[in-house]
Amino acid sequence: AQKVTQAQTEISVVEKEDVTLDCVYETRDTTYYLFWYKQPPSGELVFLIRRNSFDEQNEISGRYSWNFQKSTSSFNFTITASQVVDSAVYFCAPPYGNNRLAFGKGNQVVVIP
Amino acid sequence: GAVVSQHPSRVICKSGTSVKIECRSLDFQATTMFWYRQFPKQSLMLMATSNEGSKATYEQGVEKDKFLINHASLTLSTLTVTSAHPEDSSFYICSARVIRGGQETQYFGPGTRLLVL
Repeated sequence: AQKVTQAQTEISVVEKEDVTLDCVYETRDTTYYLFWYKQPPSGELVFLIRRNSFDEQNEISGRYSWNFQKSTSSFNFTITASQVVDSAVYFCAPPYGNNRLAFGKGNQVVVIP
Repeated sequence: GAVVSQHPSRVICKSGTSVKIECRSLDFQATTMFWYRQFPKQSLMLMATSNEGSKATYEQGVEKDKFLINHASLTLSTLTVTSAHPEDSSFYICSARVIRGGQETQYFGPGTRLLVL
């Protein structure tokens, strides 16, 4: 089975602090997409970011940034200047073959006002 | 992004009945959709890959006769939980695979909460 490790089960931060979520995965694919999704209390999964495995340039999109290192199979995600609306469960989703995604256990982020 | 809808959003049924859940891509066509289930405070577990015009591909341990999947059009996949039992109570989520500008993404529906009494 696909292995995705999101080690931090629950993370609490005070509003405006930065929060970084770690993700380490295993895959047999050589080229692939990686994703981060957010699941607020309503339950719907919201697409956040996508990364191509052949592009290791780290990027910033608004308050989100990510650090992808293919050599160590890590895909870390940072929320800058957190807000209460960022409180949710965040899932890392690497490939699973045949266009499928594997989901980690998720990081519960609690932003305290 | 792309919009994926699910219907119903919530359903309560008696044990032994069958429940059909619809997953629709509203503003795009999806040859591939996926069905997941999620138990409280757990991760998403992929159940099956739904392919338009062909049989679904089920993950190991998922009973295909229990969870019937039909992907009859490019915008609709249905999951039918047959002879539902309390242990089938869960949050069922579908997603649709989208390729735009060479970039691939899965967009998710809002989910269906099933409670079997």
